[in-house]
Amino acid sequence: AQKVTQAQTEISVVEKEDVTLDCVYETRDTTYYLFWYKQPPSGELVFLIRRNSFDEQNEISGRYSWNFQKSTSSFNFTITASQVVDSAVYFCALRGNNRKLIWGLGTSLAVNP
Amino acid sequence: DTGVSQDPRHKITKRGQNVTFRCDPISEHNRLYWYRQTLGQGPEFLTYFQNEAQLEKSRLLSDRFSAERPKGSFSTLEIQRTEQGDSAMYLCASSSQQGSWENTIYFGEGSWLTVV
Repeated sequence: AQKVTQAQTEISVVEKEDVTLDCVYETRDTTYYLFWYKQPPSGELVFLIRRNSFDEQNEISGRYSWNFQKSTSSFNFTITASQVVDSAVYFCALRGNNRKLIWGLGTSLAVNP
Repeated sequence: DTGVSQDPRHKITKRGQNVTFRCDPISEHNRLYWYRQTLGQGPEFLTYFQNEAQLEKSRLLSDRFSAERPKGSFSTLEIQRTEQGDSAMYLCASSSQQGSWENTIYFGEGSWLTVV
């Protein structure tokens, strides 16, 4: 069975704080992809990153960084120096051999001025 | 803008009425997906097309739901005899497949349905 767990339902931070969103996944597939999407109040799911199971290099994109660790089946997402515009629901998702996206329940991030 | 577009963005309908949503995918994408999302949940897979062929349907897709992609471009999702439980956001997404690899799935802004 495949599963994605985002244990943090809601996080509230003050602007300029760093924040890490956790994602833990389960799969028996040896080849799989992990994703993060951002969903602002407007509703659109905005693609942030895709990582395949053979690439454990961490990635940094501006204020965003991702830490992929196969040993702990985690793919955590850190926002450095958070801004109000980062307020959104963030979803972690997994796609294995069956090509379906399995979603976590999302983490609602509120960045307060 | 060449992203995934959906129409209408919002629809309020009375129980028992039929509704239809349209999705225009990114032009070079051959795969098109429909998902449903309710408050506090992640998206749930409904169905997907590769070109004009509907390759998979979720058990969530009751016989009141039908999706088409007649020319392999835009798609429609129709819900007949709507029920209050159909109230949700209906998301369309598209991707391209090259050989055995599928690229990232890009989503539209969603169509909110409220059944009263």
